[in-house]
Amino acid sequence: KAGVTQTPRYLIKTRGQQVTLSCSPISGHRSVSWYQQTPGQGLQFLFEYFSETQRNKGNFPGRFSGRQFSNSRSEMNVSTLELGDSALYLCASSLAGGVTEAFFGQGTRLTVV
Amino acid sequence: TQLLEQSPQFLSIQEGENLTVYCNSSSVFSSLQWYRQEPGEGPVLLVTVVTGGEVKKLKRLTFQFGDARKDSSLHITAAQPGDTGLYLCAGANDYKLSFGAGTTVTVRA
Repeated sequence: KAGVTQTPRYLIKTRGQQVTLSCSPISGHRSVSWYQQTPGQGLQFLFEYFSETQRNKGNFPGRFSGRQFSNSRSEMNVSTLELGDSALYLCASSLAGGVTEAFFGQGTRLTVV
Repeated sequence: TQLLEQSPQFLSIQEGENLTVYCNSSSVFSSLQWYRQEPGEGPVLLVTVVTGGEVKKLKRLTFQFGDARKDSSLHITAAQPGDTGLYLCAGANDYKLSFGAGTTVTVRA
């Protein structure tokens, strides 16, 4: 069974640009969550989707957005990039979210210069 | 401010020694998950505990969930260099995981 796939693995962008990251969950999993990991703040929750509906959102500015497609694949977008957006962005998939186990992808390392 | 407090922050031990990592919170969680993460990779799920007072054993790793479902501990017996990594606890509520800051464990050969 394939794991969670995130693309791309690495990305370098310039301040002010926008970026889209992709996540394909484990087959059969309908919940996808996104997290930002930085050395200073650790892992911070961005948002969670289930059956194309956002059920929860973390405390991030509106520049961070996401969506989920009917096949459960998800994308997150960051507009008007800032240096502080440099981080490892992680996607987690689970059967239904909530108490069910969450499995993470390898992440996308975003560097903003 | 982390919702979950992990201690210690760093732990360096000799191969064969035992270690315990603690995860505490003032919040009650529906479940608690432990992960191990290596540099540049995503966290790998070790265990999920759901019931207060639950104890789970995974080979040399023992996980305990507090009776009130607010705290947890991870105990490793006879640690090996392959146990080296960042250990993270995460509490689940409202369709999200709240993570502790992590404990960096180094096992010296």
